[in-house]
Amino acid sequence: AQKVTQAQTEISVVEKEDVTLDCVYETRDTTYYLFWYKQPPSGELVFLIRRNSFDEQNEISGRYSWNFQKSTSSFNFTITASQVVDSAVYFCALSDFNAGNMLTFGGGTRLMVKP
Amino acid sequence: DAGITQSPRHKVTETGTPVTLRCHQTENHRYMYWYRQDPGHGLRLIHYSYGVKDTDKGEVSDGYSVSRSKTEDFLLTLESATSSQTSVYFCAISESSPAHQFGPGTRLTVT
Repeated sequence: AQKVTQAQTEISVVEKEDVTLDCVYETRDTTYYLFWYKQPPSGELVFLIRRNSFDEQNEISGRYSWNFQKSTSSFNFTITASQVVDSAVYFCALSDFNAGNMLTFGGGTRLMVKP
Repeated sequence: DAGITQSPRHKVTETGTPVTLRCHQTENHRYMYWYRQDPGHGLRLIHYSYGVKDTDKGEVSDGYSVSRSKTEDFLLTLESATSSQTSVYFCAISESSPAHQFGPGTRLTVT
């Protein structure tokens, strides 16, 4: 069975601080996708990134970066120089190339960025 | 137009009443999903569809049924709503990739 764990339920930082959101996953499959979604206070789910298990290169997009390490089954997300607009709930998710493309989500991390 | 819509967006109902939530897509995507979101649990899959009339159960399917008679519509039915089904329900779609596009959500309260 698949499992995604986001051990940090809430994180509070002051604007301009860097923050890392942790994601640890479990799967028996050797091929899979990992995702991060953002849920701002307005409630919609916004896709941030998809990474497949073949590609362990870290990725950077502006102030966002992702660190994928198969050896530790982790896919961590770092926001550099956080801003108030980054305040949201962030979800990590896993899909194992299954026939239905279903996602298994972690419990989410609520990030609060204070001015 | 939004690629995926849900109706209603908010609903309050009484225990024991039937409820149907509708998901409509204009993307012609093959896969459609219903997830529920509860604090501490993230999103959990209720049911999904991989084509017209083709559906299957997810992790938390008890008390729910679904139907998909057209590519664009995926209905979620609570035959007899219970307070434990108070939640936010998200519909999602995908095609060849598992990257989901989510609808805006439906907040359901069962009193």
